[in-house]
Amino acid sequence: KNEVEQSPQNLTAQEGEFITINCSYSVGISALHWLQQHPGGGIVSLFMLSSGKKKHGRLIATINIQEKHSSLHITASHPRDSAVYICAVDSLGNEKLTFGTGTRLTIIP
Amino acid sequence: EAGVAQSPRYKIIEKRQSVAFWCNPISGHATLYWYQQILGQGPKLLIQFQNNGVVDDSQLPKDRFSAERLKGVDSTLKIQPAKLEDSAVYLCASSLVIEQYFGPGTRLTVT
Repeated sequence: KNEVEQSPQNLTAQEGEFITINCSYSVGISALHWLQQHPGGGIVSLFMLSSGKKKHGRLIATINIQEKHSSLHITASHPRDSAVYICAVDSLGNEKLTFGTGTRLTIIP
Repeated sequence: EAGVAQSPRYKIIEKRQSVAFWCNPISGHATLYWYQQILGQGPKLLIQFQNNGVVDDSQLPKDRFSAERLKGVDSTLKIQPAKLEDSAVYLCASSLVIEQYFGPGTRLTVT
């Protein structure tokens, strides 16, 4: 069993829909990251969370430390949001990230 | 602030050939990482440098992969000889404290 599990693996939605991507982890962490990877391969950091909730534009990330679970939400989704979204955790601040396998999101116009 | 730079962006080679990738981290970032990301999987750490010293290379296939970070700034990752299963995106990242900043990656195809 992977230390970081994401669901769903693939998600296709219509433009404008509210999107939720889930991440569960099994280890103690100091921080959780949500990353976005476009087809070219480069990765952009969206959020780094250690508790609560963060919002940036149409993106919202939440984390529940007790339940070892985080969600990434996208409101009013747009085709340019199509990408792979990756959850990664810092295990107890050792500067090593453990990655999930990613969720491939496709937004249809 | 300039981001992490990588080159080349794409490379196609035949098996048994050699290839090298270059990474220039964000200025002042002491920690540098090389990751291998096979299609459909999350990135896998190959090697982590702190300045010019190796912190972790436990998952680096040392019979064919090598990496160096001379002078604690730029880094190169080499594969010699390449195998078909080395086809992947090779990502470089750097960090100052905890948050890692990723480069655009090098997509390697081994035929």
